Amino acid sequence: EAGVTQFPSHSVIEKGQTVTLRCDPISGHDNLYWYRRVMGKEIKFLLHFVKESKQDESGMPNNRFLAERTGGTYSTLKVQPAELEDSGVYFCASSHVRDRNEQYFGPGTRLTVT
Amino acid sequence: AQTVTQSQPEMSVQEAETVTLSCTYDTSESDYYLFWYKQPPSRQMILVIRQEAYKQQNATENRFSVNFQKAAKSFSLKISDSQLGDAAMYFCAYRSASTGNQFYFGTGTSLTVIP
Repeated sequence: EAGVTQFPSHSVIEKGQTVTLRCDPISGHDNLYWYRRVMGKEIKFLLHFVKESKQDESGMPNNRFLAERTGGTYSTLKVQPAELEDSGVYFCASSHVRDRNEQYFGPGTRLTVT
Repeated sequence: AQTVTQSQPEMSVQEAETVTLSCTYDTSESDYYLFWYKQPPSRQMILVIRQEAYKQQNATENRFSVNFQKAAKSFSLKISDSQLGDAAMYFCAYRSASTGNQFYFGTGTSLTVIP
């Protein structure tokens, strides 16, 4: 069974540019989560999808961040326009509806905004 | 909001020795779950062990065990017979049993295993 995959693994962009991160959850997992870790700090929750619906987006930092999950499969997280403080590692995780405690994480996308 | 604190940014252990990673958390809830995740360099996080707060018995998974002290809100991870493959960043995490699905993580502890 394939794990959670994320693309790209690393992205370097300039302040003001746009970046789109992609996450492919494990097949059959209705729950999909985005988290972010800023260097040296804790991993913070951004939002949670159940299928294509946003269940909880309380962690989204501001309206420069837009997450979508069309069709309830893969998800994208767009940052537009990127700011320096958006740099960090963005993790995606997924879980089956029957076990919300078993969150499987992807390897993360390291975003560097210069 | 719940907070998770890992006070040891870095730890090291000799191969075959035992090491304990600390984690404390703050919550007003009585029912919750606690986790330790491991992230090896350039690889994805994997679940090491989890503990349900209503269980008094400490969870154990092979060489990994926890010391769960509910009253003290402490959840330490003990790694016995450390191996080179244990070198990784370790994250402690909390999840409420009643409110939401998000995990609250600590800042992580980087574990080095010395041959």
